[in-house]
Amino acid sequence: EPEVTQTPSHQVTQMGQEVILRCVPISNHLYFYWYRQILGQKVEFLVSFYNNEISEKSEIFDDQFSVERPDGSNFTLKIRSTKLEDSAMYFCASSDGNSGANVLTFGAGSRLTVL
Amino acid sequence: AQSVTQPDIHITVSEGASLELRCNYSYGATPYLFWYVQSPGQGLQLLLKYFSGDTLVQGIKGFEAEFKRSQSSFNLRKPSVHWSDAAEYFCAVALRSNDYKLSFGAGTTVTVRA
Repeated sequence: EPEVTQTPSHQVTQMGQEVILRCVPISNHLYFYWYRQILGQKVEFLVSFYNNEISEKSEIFDDQFSVERPDGSNFTLKIRSTKLEDSAMYFCASSDGNSGANVLTFGAGSRLTVL
Repeated sequence: AQSVTQPDIHITVSEGASLELRCNYSYGATPYLFWYVQSPGQGLQLLLKYFSGDTLVQGIKGFEAEFKRSQSSFNLRKPSVHWSDAAEYFCAVALRSNDYKLSFGAGTTVTVRA
């Protein structure tokens, strides 16, 4: 069964460092997303990406965050200068938009710990 | 404010027993409703969804959920749980059919005892 893969599974970084989280969405999907879950809190929408541009972003997704699809397979989330409060599990997801854009396939997540 | 509530943080159930996980939402209109499951080390896997029609929906792994408009609920059920059902379960809603900004509940962790 096709799956969304994320790397790394866990990253520990120092505050102020740049972090790039990588995702390989399902190959025929056109819509890509990042969500995050701070420990003990709800899963929250960060950003959606379609046709090589951001289609929507939440208020969480400030100037420290950026997304990119550098090639035909990868979808990355970059945090330019990490803060302690960026520590969370980050989920990548994709959808084909045919069965409803909100039928998302999620990856296993990348846990980010900022020290 | 719009919200999704899963009242039970943690449920322990015996293998073979029935399971019901509660989900309530507060939205003005009927949202699109989902249940996701996350097993350790795995991604969020879609169990089932409700968009319209029959209010009892069947999903994968023997799960079903019933939409009750009068109670603003979408509870998940399984008649007989297996040890492999131990996981965290998330209820989620979307406001429109093309709305990818899912709003998630806080999750319910299910422990299955032998």
